[in-house]
Amino acid sequence: KQEVTQIPAALSVPEGENLVLNCSFTDSAIYNLQWFRQDPGKGLTSLLLIQSSQREQTSGRLNASLDKSSGRSTLYIAASQPGDSATYLCAVHTGNQFYFGTGTSLTVIP
Amino acid sequence: DGGITQSPKYLFRKEGQNVTLSCEQNLNHDAMYWYRQDPGQGLRLIYYSQIVNDFQKGDIAEGYSVSREKKESFPLTVTSAQKNPTAFYLCASSKGGTSYEQYFGPGTRLTVT
Repeated sequence: KQEVTQIPAALSVPEGENLVLNCSFTDSAIYNLQWFRQDPGKGLTSLLLIQSSQREQTSGRLNASLDKSSGRSTLYIAASQPGDSATYLCAVHTGNQFYFGTGTSLTVIP
Repeated sequence: DGGITQSPKYLFRKEGQNVTLSCEQNLNHDAMYWYRQDPGQGLRLIYYSQIVNDFQKGDIAEGYSVSREKKESFPLTVTSAQKNPTAFYLCASSKGGTSYEQYFGPGTRLTVT
């Protein structure tokens, strides 16, 4: 069964810093990987989707990479802002199901 | 505006009662999903449906039931057989197939006492 791990579980950085969030998965037979943002008590907001044939995707200050063979993805956030404070989750798509990590809780300090 | 709606946002029930959570989407998506989220745990799949009138169990289906009579609707019933029903429930949808992303509703927080 696919297992998804996110490290670190929590991260606190000063405003303006660049940062990297990590996601690893045990089975490389995935169709795509998706990064989400979740604010407290809210649903998930999709940030980036990377297909299994792609190496990276970019949206504004966000860049996500995928190394399927090693079972890893990273989410790079440039010039962090207090509004980026949230929990970030990754999910891998394997056939009919999506498997989620437990998330990284990010706090950006003004 | 296209999107997924879940109602109600907060739900309180007494132990032993069944309760139904609503999920509606107007994105014309074929696939719909129900997840449960508990503190410190990732999302866990309860049920999913790839097409109308068909659905499959996820990893934690015991104590739950669903129906998919219409493309836009996928209600979840939490039965009295679910031993620990208090949780945050999230509904999602996607176009189906293997290339498409999931979109999520705002969630329903269920408290059973």
